[in-house]
This record gives sequence, C-alpha cells and structure tokens, in this order.
Amino acid sequence: AQSVAQPEDQVNVAEGNPLTVKCTYSVSGNPYLFWYVQYPNRGLQFLLKYITGDNLVKGSYGFEAEFNKSQTSFHLKKPSALVSDSALYFCAVRGASGTYKYIFGTGTRLKVLA
Amino acid sequence: NAGVMQNPRHLVRRRGQEARLRCSPMKGHSHVYWYRQLPEEGLKFMVYLQKENIIDESGMPKERFSAEFPKEGPSILRIQQVVRGDSAAYFCASSPPTAGDAGELFFGEGSRLTVL
Repeated sequence: AQSVAQPEDQVNVAEGNPLTVKCTYSVSGNPYLFWYVQYPNRGLQFLLKYITGDNLVKGSYGFEAEFNKSQTSFHLKKPSALVSDSALYFCAVRGASGTYKYIFGTGTRLKVLA
Repeated sequence: NAGVMQNPRHLVRRRGQEARLRCSPMKGHSHVYWYRQLPEEGLKFMVYLQKENIIDESGMPKERFSAEFPKEGPSILRIQQVVRGDSAAYFCASSPPTAGDAGELFFGEGSRLTVL
C-alpha cells in the first residue's frame, strides 16, 4: 500500500535561513512524488514533482526537492526562506504503475519568522 | 483557462439533511478526485472517477456517501443524512486523460461543509 509520512507537524525557520520540510514515502515500484502548498482557506497549489531523471528537481517560488531512493525520501528545500513562504505543505506519492491514486501526507506547517 | 471550479464554497446543513458538492474539472480533464480535509489533518483520498465510471472508491465511507461524474455536467459528491463528523473541507482535483502520465493534480478552492 502507498503511504507518505511527514514527521514534523510544524517547522519554524528565521527569514533568510535555509528551510527543509521532510517527507518519506512507501510505494510498490517506482514513485511519482509531488509537493503542494496550501494557504489558509485555499486549495492546494502545485510546487514541483519528481517523475524520473535528476534527483534534484526545481519548482515554483525557488523551492527544490531531492529524491533519495535509498532513503525513500523527498525532502523539500529552499536556500533562503521568506515570511510569505509560511503555509501548510503537503507531500504526495503515486505509484508509477497500476494505480492512479495520489496519497497525501498529513502536512507540515511552515512558519517563517521575521 | 478556468481552473477547477467547486461550489458551493461554503455549505451549512443541519443533521439529517443532504449535502451536494459540485466540481467542474479543468477544460480537457476527464479524471476527477475527491479528498476530505478535517481540521488540523491532512488530505484523505475519497474517490477517483473518470467520465461515467468510478475507478477507485476505497476511501469513501460505505454508507451515506456517493459520487458520480456524468457524461455531461460536473462531478457530484453527495452526503446523505449528514452528521457533525462530516464537517470538513472537501476538495476536488482534476487531471488530464493521458494514461500513465504522472501529471500533477489541479485543485479547486474547496467546499467547506458545516453540520449544525
């Protein structure tokens, strides 16, 4: 069965510092991995995805994520956090074959402090 | 190109009433997903539909909940005899029909159901 774990409910970081939001996954076969961001009372916005190829993927708003197959992780990173990055972040996984179900983690609330 | 449209954005129902949530996918998208988000929780998969077909409803409660995606018109998530525990935000997402392509989902703004 597919699953996603986001071990941190909340991450606090000072503005200008690098940020990391963690995600680990479990899926049969190759994974398709995604990061989304949700602002209060809004829908989810796509940030980036890993399908195949380079392990480091770049996305919107300066975010990037690194796929690590041996650790089954897909951590979200940004070199320099902005206060406006404060939001709820979701990691999601879909198996490459046999299913079209996207499974989301429980979310990590990022708080960037001025 | 309009995004995923959900309505109503907010819905208040009394216990025992019915709630109907509608979702119009993005133009050209024929795959629709419904998710439920409870306060302070993540997104829980409910159902995945293609036009006129339910593909995976493994996340749907066995009773009171149903979903459809007719040939014409929006997808409908129907909750009969609502209870307070149904209060949540319900999100619809769509994706294009390219088989096997791991495209991202496109989400609507959600429908927030409050059961009194």
